[in-house]
Amino acid sequence: GAGVSQSPRYKVAKRGQDVALRCDPISGHVSLFWYQQALGQGPEFLTYFQNEAQLDKSGLPSDRFFAERPEGSVSTLKIQRTQQEDSAVYLCASSSPGTGIYEQYFGPGTRLTVT
Amino acid sequence: GDSVTQMEGPVTLSEEAFLTINCTYTATGYPSLFWYVQYPGEGLQLLLKATKADDKGSNKGFEATYRKETTSFHLEKGSVQVSDSAVYFCALSDRGGGNKLTFGTGTQLKVEL
Repeated sequence: GAGVSQSPRYKVAKRGQDVALRCDPISGHVSLFWYQQALGQGPEFLTYFQNEAQLDKSGLPSDRFFAERPEGSVSTLKIQRTQQEDSAVYLCASSSPGTGIYEQYFGPGTRLTVT
Repeated sequence: GDSVTQMEGPVTLSEEAFLTINCTYTATGYPSLFWYVQYPGEGLQLLLKATKADDKGSNKGFEATYRKETTSFHLEKGSVQVSDSAVYFCALSDRGGGNKLTFGTGTQLKVEL
């Protein structure tokens, strides 16, 4: 079946602009995660949804970052007033209790460059 | 908090050489441990996993054993191929943390003929 998809794959924003990154999880997966991966680093957790409920947003770096999943499927990560330090690859992952120990399936990521 | 430390790369090996990538972790609970792989131009893929002490995860000739006494999960392969060239990430999931993953910084592996 289809995997996790993300759009756009690449986004260039001028400093101060707002951006919205979309994630389509695997159909039926109840859990959805967002991670931020800086160049040469491992992914870092941003936030976690179970269905439409945002259960953990402890990794969001500032109040400029906002995520939603209103109908428990597609999720959007929004970054307001982008800064150069926001440049990174943003990864989305989904999982389900049916996948054993909650294995996470990752999308290809959105590479955000803030100029 | 939870953390994962893995050896820095890049690691360069000749084809058919033995591979070890070290990984150690710190966690407050009883985590599950993972190795993810990122091939050039592709997304992260789960390579193998282990859920409790002394479990051995294996896939595609790669193995790693969950060692609670040394808090380690080293990745090994007996004979690497050029196609194994990728970045390898060690990660843990602490069940008390909602199953979010904590990753190491990644180790780039280059396999040459």
